[in-house]
Amino acid sequence: RKEVEQDPGPFNVPEGATVAFNCTYSNSASQSFFWYRQDCRKEPKLLMSVYSSGNEDGRFTAQLNRASQYISLLIRDSKLSDSATYLCVGGGFKTIFGAGTRLFVKA
Amino acid sequence: GAVVSQHPSRVICKSGTSVKIECRSLDFQATTMFWYRQFPKQSLMLMATSNEGSKATYEQGVEKDKFLINHASLTLSTLTVTSAHPEDSSFYICSATQGANNEKLFFGSGTQLSVL
Repeated sequence: RKEVEQDPGPFNVPEGATVAFNCTYSNSASQSFFWYRQDCRKEPKLLMSVYSSGNEDGRFTAQLNRASQYISLLIRDSKLSDSATYLCVGGGFKTIFGAGTRLFVKA
Repeated sequence: GAVVSQHPSRVICKSGTSVKIECRSLDFQATTMFWYRQFPKQSLMLMATSNEGSKATYEQGVEKDKFLINHASLTLSTLTVTSAHPEDSSFYICSATQGANNEKLFFGSGTQLSVL
């Protein structure tokens, strides 16, 4: 089993839609979790950190469920510019990336 | 935010040659740097973890004699792909972290290596 698993998608949604991604992790000792966004052939950029109490930043909400060992990302009111690959990241000393979920937002 | 500079951004080389990629933290001291490889439509795969002044720790399946990592200072790490072959063609990205718990990662812009 991979340490961090994501549904690769792709998710094809219309503008304005709400879309949610989940990511499961296997190492219960993992301490830090993040969502990164990666555009094609570019470096990943930090989207947001993930806390047990939830973290909201504008249209984006991230949640961590330690009991079930998953993290989630919710995007509301999708924009065309949200089209990208979203990587979940977990780990302690060593950061492990999920395979990424591709999102396509269409007009 | 912290800036990590990675050079070159693109390399085309002949099979059998060696290629060096540099990763610099410009405005902070990076306690740890990571090197990743990414094939098309796949995730970032961690190759090795590099701490300043010590030998890099390689992930299983990564040949340390082929992918030489040097982390001589707190602001510079280099990855040398020795005797490159076409199957080494990939997108290589470095990242750096400041903290002891390696929380936020700051990424270089990546190097696209094409071996002919």
